[in-house]
Amino acid sequence: DAKTTQPPSMDCAEGRAANLPCNHSTISGNEYVYWYRQIHSQGPQYIIHGLKNNETNEMASLIITEDRKSSTLILPHATLRDTAVYYCIVRVELKVRANNLFFGTGTRLTVIP
Amino acid sequence: DSGVTQTPKHLITATGQRVTLRCSPRSGDLSVYWYQQSLDQGLQFLIQYYNGEERAKGNILERFSAQQFPDLHSELNLSSLELGDSALYFCASSVAPVMNTEAFFGQGTRLTVV
Repeated sequence: DAKTTQPPSMDCAEGRAANLPCNHSTISGNEYVYWYRQIHSQGPQYIIHGLKNNETNEMASLIITEDRKSSTLILPHATLRDTAVYYCIVRVELKVRANNLFFGTGTRLTVIP
Repeated sequence: DSGVTQTPKHLITATGQRVTLRCSPRSGDLSVYWYQQSLDQGLQFLIQYYNGEERAKGNILERFSAQQFPDLHSELNLSSLELGDSALYFCASSVAPVMNTEAFFGQGTRLTVV
């Protein structure tokens, strides 16, 4: 699985968009980008994933650059409840023995009132 | 609520002891994964079971073992406990044998070894 690099921490004002970057310059063509978050010692929560097209769901948007070497998770209107550690993970989907997610250190997002 | 249930929520025990952590996956999920999260190590994959059989091993110590039962619940056994085993232990489940698309995590068991 490709290594990811994320800033250790970020702040965002409540109600504003939170843009969380992730670098994955060694990503392979068949590796997906996943985002999970962990709210203060709770179990990690899936947010979104994508391969090369931008993706959007009810929680967030995922923007992947054309060369796929980096991506940005966007929380359009951050709330205090979005304060959490956000993990960017790249992995091969449906690879037989790639049976788990490798979590790095993530970005600690603090939403400020 | 992810649908994954872990018990107990908190566990305090002494060094050298043995404990068992339990995980009930979401209804219909056949795969169970165990992760350890300590302050200085982040989330570390330990082991995975699929439909009762061990599927993959990560950084699991020999003092630790796990199994998945016919009703698909799983237990993680930790023995000869050391202070460094103090951590949050998470269980996750997914339908498929690979953790694709979405994995659901439980709320964890906080183990404190004193």
